[in-house]
Amino acid sequence: NAGVTQTPKFQVLKTGQSMTLQCAQDMNHEYMSWYRQDPGMGLRLIHYSVGAGITDQGEVPNGYNVSRSTTEDFPLRLLSAAPSQTSVYFCASSYGPDYGYTFGSGTRLTVV
Amino acid sequence: KNQVEQSPQSLIILEGKNCTLQCNYTVSPFSNLRWYKQDTGRGPVSLTIMTFSENTKSNGRYTATLDADTKQSSLHITASQLSDSASYICVVSPNTGFQKLVFGTGTRLLVSP
Repeated sequence: NAGVTQTPKFQVLKTGQSMTLQCAQDMNHEYMSWYRQDPGMGLRLIHYSVGAGITDQGEVPNGYNVSRSTTEDFPLRLLSAAPSQTSVYFCASSYGPDYGYTFGSGTRLTVV
Repeated sequence: KNQVEQSPQSLIILEGKNCTLQCNYTVSPFSNLRWYKQDTGRGPVSLTIMTFSENTKSNGRYTATLDADTKQSSLHITASQLSDSASYICVVSPNTGFQKLVFGTGTRLLVSP
């Protein structure tokens, strides 16, 4: 049981490049979310999904896209990277409102 | 605006001592309050979850309390160990949608030998 797996762990992008952060969970969780964590700030929700085929925007969605074609996978796409997107990104999943979130180990992204 | 404030920002204690971390929130109404532990370079790990009707919840040496009237929660760590060195994050889930959790900025705890 691997939990929530995020790849890559580290990434450096040039401004304007695009990339996809991968997230996979093997716990059959319906709920999945993407957060970014910046120094001095709490985690902020980018996008979330309540099941395969269903996604919605969070607090800071601009510049990011998501899709959920399977229960297991929830990739996050950066369309055109900007220095303001330098951050640590966490994917998380949960059974539902009465349960805690299981977080991945994060992807540290630097945009130069 | 829904907010979660934690204090202190950072704390240093000696191994074996107890400590208490504070969380004040303005999220209302809310469905539950969670405490997470985040080791450096890792994702947060759930310690406790309390609904608005619960006053206390324990997980080993960690005990969380909740006062819904004053909108305050605390996390008490007993007999601290070096492995307790981490950031502790208070998270409140509003009734409007549990996905839209409101995160505090965390308390960074260092347990010194």
